[in-house]
Amino acid sequence: EDQVTQSPEALRLQEGESSSLNCSYTVSGLRGLFWYRQDPGKGPEFLFTLYSAGEEKEKERLKATLTKKESFLHITAPKPEDSATYLCAVPQGGSEKLVFGKGTKLTVNP
Amino acid sequence: DAGITQSPRHKVTETGTPVTLRCHQTENHRYMYWYRQDPGHGLRLIHYSYGVKDTDKGEVSDGYSVSRSKTEDFLLTLESATSSQTSVYFCATKTGTLTYEQYFGPGTRLTVT
Repeated sequence: EDQVTQSPEALRLQEGESSSLNCSYTVSGLRGLFWYRQDPGKGPEFLFTLYSAGEEKEKERLKATLTKKESFLHITAPKPEDSATYLCAVPQGGSEKLVFGKGTKLTVNP
Repeated sequence: DAGITQSPRHKVTETGTPVTLRCHQTENHRYMYWYRQDPGHGLRLIHYSYGVKDTDKGEVSDGYSVSRSKTEDFLLTLESATSSQTSVYFCATKTGTLTYEQYFGPGTRLTVT
């Protein structure tokens, strides 16, 4: 069964304190791994797609990396506006559906 | 911005009543999806559509039906609402079969009393 597990469930950081979020997955034939950001009361906002091990993508203070079993979302010198829930997802094997992790709720304190 | 709107944005209804949520997209995307999001469960797929009149079930489809009579609209109906269907519902779209990332609407918060 295809699965996506995110850790930690919640993370509190001080402004400027860098850290990483983890997304581990089990799926046959990876066809991409996606990161989303979700603010309270809003729909998930697409951030990155990663397709192969070793690939990296960056956007402002965020950098996503991919290995054969997991992905990391590195947050460098975070600001309070980076506070959100971050979701990762992979396509379910042989279908047009996505399997989502439960997310990591990030809080950055000023 | 994926050009997705959802209506209504908030709704309170009573147990046993039928409810229809609407998803409208302006990008002519082939695939459309309905999810529900609940604390502790994350996003779970209810139904999806791969074209006009072509739909399939997701992992939590019991008690829900969908219809897609034109490309831009995907309707989710709760046939007889129950308190367990209190949730936030999101619609999403995907452009085609060569890409898999989905783009989400703003959501509908549904409360069943």
